[in-house]
Amino acid sequence: NAGVTQTPKFQVLKTGQSMTLQCAQDMNHNSMYWYRQDPGMGLRLIYYSASEGTTDKGEVPNGYNVSRLNKREFSLRLESAAPSQTSVYFCASSKGTEPYNEQFFGPGTRLTVL
Amino acid sequence: AQSVTQLDSQVPVFEEAPVELRCNYSSSVSVYLFWYVQYPNQGLQLLLKYLSGSTLVKGINGFEAEFNKSQTSFHLRKPSVHISDTAEYFCAVSGSPYNQGGKLIFGQGTELSVKP
Repeated sequence: NAGVTQTPKFQVLKTGQSMTLQCAQDMNHNSMYWYRQDPGMGLRLIYYSASEGTTDKGEVPNGYNVSRLNKREFSLRLESAAPSQTSVYFCASSKGTEPYNEQFFGPGTRLTVL
Repeated sequence: AQSVTQLDSQVPVFEEAPVELRCNYSSSVSVYLFWYVQYPNQGLQLLLKYLSGSTLVKGINGFEAEFNKSQTSFHLRKPSVHISDTAEYFCAVSGSPYNQGGKLIFGQGTELSVKP
């Protein structure tokens, strides 16, 4: 039982390049999330998917797009990377969007944009 | 804007000493409160959560937290820390008026460094 998995673990991009971060969960969860973690700022929500087939913006969506491919998978795409997107990205999942649900986090993707 | 404030960015402590990591939130309505731990180069793991009921919540690894509604605080405590407790700790809150698709609002994080 792997929980939440993310690929890749590390990535270096040049400004303007694009890439997709992959996330998958095997807990049969309905809801999935993408956060970014920056020093001194905690984690901030980029996008979330309440259920298969739906996606919504979070606190910091600019420069990102997402796809909920199926119930298991939720990808995050950077179309034209910028240095301000250098961060650690975490995917999370939960049973549902009720506020009492625990979120389960993946190991993270460390992205550097030069 | 609603927020979560962790009052200490870094807390150094000696092994076997007690520790308290402080968290305050701003809200006038019911919330749900969480503490997560992040070990070096890993994802976040839930330590404990307050949903309702008893204000003293016990979690994994000997940690506990007390919900204080009047002071809007949820401080994390451990009576005796180990080297293995060295990690970053995040306080988070959800619920109205924060709730947006189950969104968690995180504090800035507190780095706990346990020294021998």
